[in-house]
Amino acid sequence: AQKITQTQPGMFVQEKEAVTLDCTYDTSDPSYGLFWYKQPSSGEMIFLIYQGSYDQQNATEGRYSLNFQKARKSANLVISASQLGDSAMYFCAMREPNTGNQFYFGTGTSLTVIP
Amino acid sequence: NAGVTQTPKFRILKIGQSMTLQCTQDMNHNYMYWYRQDPGMGLKLIYYSVGAGITDKGEVPNGYNVSRSTTEDFPLRLELAAPSQTSVYFCASSFLETGTSYEQYFGPGTRLTVT
Repeated sequence: AQKITQTQPGMFVQEKEAVTLDCTYDTSDPSYGLFWYKQPSSGEMIFLIYQGSYDQQNATEGRYSLNFQKARKSANLVISASQLGDSAMYFCAMREPNTGNQFYFGTGTSLTVIP
Repeated sequence: NAGVTQTPKFRILKIGQSMTLQCTQDMNHNYMYWYRQDPGMGLKLIYYSVGAGITDKGEVPNGYNVSRSTTEDFPLRLELAAPSQTSVYFCASSFLETGTSYEQYFGPGTRLTVT
């Protein structure tokens, strides 16, 4: 089974609108970490936001927020007030202590912001 | 701090040749990782290390070797290069200790073509 599933290969959003990128995960480890990374066309991986499995509140970082629904095993990224510079690939990842703190990445979602 | 540095940025290899991808981090991180990213795909873990002298296989280790003689360096060795190893290779590092989880810091990547 896939550890991280991103079911939206591509998404479009109008500039200044909000967009939600979906991510579901699979683990039996009670302690895990969830991450979102952005990969622009230049290729570098940029860390956006982190959510710990024991964190009571949803993580927020500027225009990024993580909608963490533990019972549903989902960790959706919400980008508010989209900007043209948000056009990129977005990857959801999970750190799993039971497997030696390996990180597992989803296949990514390509986001295009339309002016 | 330079963060995570990788060399070379680009390389073309002939089938059967060998090479070493260099990775260095100056953040005193205990964990280091090597990933490959095939076109349009997410990252797959090749090898990782939890500290100097300790390495372990990830999801796709065949055809690769690593060593970790120091905290800073984590080279990836390709022996007998094959076309299937054409990919972008990312090195990453992270600091992990009990009760915390920090994001991975990524190098800029090495684009490798095997022909």
